Amino acid sequence: AQSVTQPDIHITVSEGASLELRCNYSYGATPYLFWYVQSPGQGLQLLLKYFSGDTLVQGIKGFEAEFKRSQSSFNLRKPSVHWSDAAEYFCAVGGTSGSRLTFGEGTQLTVNP
Amino acid sequence: GAGVSQTPSNKVTEKGKYVELRCDPISGHTALYWYRQSLGQGPEFLIYFQGTGAADDSGLPNDRFFAVRPEGSVSTLKIQRTERGDSAVYLCASGQGPNEQFFGPGTRLTVL
Repeated sequence: AQSVTQPDIHITVSEGASLELRCNYSYGATPYLFWYVQSPGQGLQLLLKYFSGDTLVQGIKGFEAEFKRSQSSFNLRKPSVHWSDAAEYFCAVGGTSGSRLTFGEGTQLTVNP
Repeated sequence: GAGVSQTPSNKVTEKGKYVELRCDPISGHTALYWYRQSLGQGPEFLIYFQGTGAADDSGLPNDRFFAVRPEGSVSTLKIQRTERGDSAVYLCASGQGPNEQFFGPGTRLTVL
């Protein structure tokens, strides 16, 4: 069975500070990994995805994530956070094309001015 | 182009009633997914359509839940004899490429 763990329920950072959101997954084969962002009352927006190849992937809004197979991790990073980044972030894992996504419980990000 | 749309955006119903939630996918997308998101949780998979057929319905919690996609485009999620525990945001996603899922804004269902 596939699963995702996001250890941090809530993170607070200051604007301009760096950010790292943790994600650990469990999957029996090569995973497809995703990070989504959800703002209040909005749908999920895809930030980035990893299928294969370079383990450091770049996404939208200045986000990047690194796939580490040995640690079963796919942590999301941003060098300098903006106030508009305040939202809930979800890590997800999927398998073969067209299969379900399994999401973590999310990390709520608060950005202080 | 237009994204995934879902109607209604909010639905309030009474326990025991029947509800239908609609999803209009992005034009041309053959894959359609339904998820349910309870407060403070991540989305949970319900069902996946490839074209008109349900390729995976293993996430439906019980036989009160049913979904259709008769023409391979619009999908309707149907919930019979609603219970308070069904209250959640129901999300629809569509896609065309490998594991590509674009989400709609969701329908917030409240069962009183």
